[in-house]
Amino acid sequence: AQKVTQAQTEISVVEKEDVTLDCVYETRDTTYYLFWYKQPPSGELVFLIRRNSFDEQNEISGRYSWNFQKSTSSFNFTITASQVVDSAVYFCALSEHARNQGGKLIFGQGTELSVKP
Amino acid sequence: DAGVIQSPRHEVTEMGQEVTLRCKPISGHDYLFWYRQTMMRGLELLIYFNNNVPIDDSGMPEDRFSAKMPNASFSTLKIQPSEPRDSAVYFCASSQGLINEKLFFGSGTQLSVL
Repeated sequence: AQKVTQAQTEISVVEKEDVTLDCVYETRDTTYYLFWYKQPPSGELVFLIRRNSFDEQNEISGRYSWNFQKSTSSFNFTITASQVVDSAVYFCALSEHARNQGGKLIFGQGTELSVKP
Repeated sequence: DAGVIQSPRHEVTEMGQEVTLRCKPISGHDYLFWYRQTMMRGLELLIYFNNNVPIDDSGMPEDRFSAKMPNASFSTLKIQPSEPRDSAVYFCASSQGLINEKLFFGSGTQLSVL
């Protein structure tokens, strides 16, 4: 069965600190997709990144970086030099490739990040 | 594009009343999803449509819940009769083309059933 675990419920850091949000997933499928979404206080969910299971290259986008390791079934998210605007709930999600699973995201419970000035 | 539009943003109703949530997906998107967010259960997929056809409704909690997509630009999620445990934020999302594309979410409807 699919499962996404975000063990960190809440994280609090001071501005300019680096912070890593952990995500561990379970799936029996060999082809799958992993996502991170951000939910700021305004409530809407904002897409951050998608990776497929065959692409283990780490990705960097500005202050954001993602580390995908199939060996440990992890897809961790690091924010470098955090800012107050990064305060939000961050969700990791998994989607399997099967034809009838398209878009059926299984979300983790989310990690609430609080960045204090 | 205006993004996914949901209405109303907030809904307060009394137990037993019918509630209808509305969604307008992004034009050209083939998939439409309804998710529910609660503290206890997190984000759960209720149902999704492909080209206006319901594909998977296994997440719909009970017969009290129903969803329709009469055309490519409009979907509704109806709860009849509503119960206090239905209180949650309901999100609509849409995506384009290939499966497993990123989802674009609406701002959600905060439902409170008293």
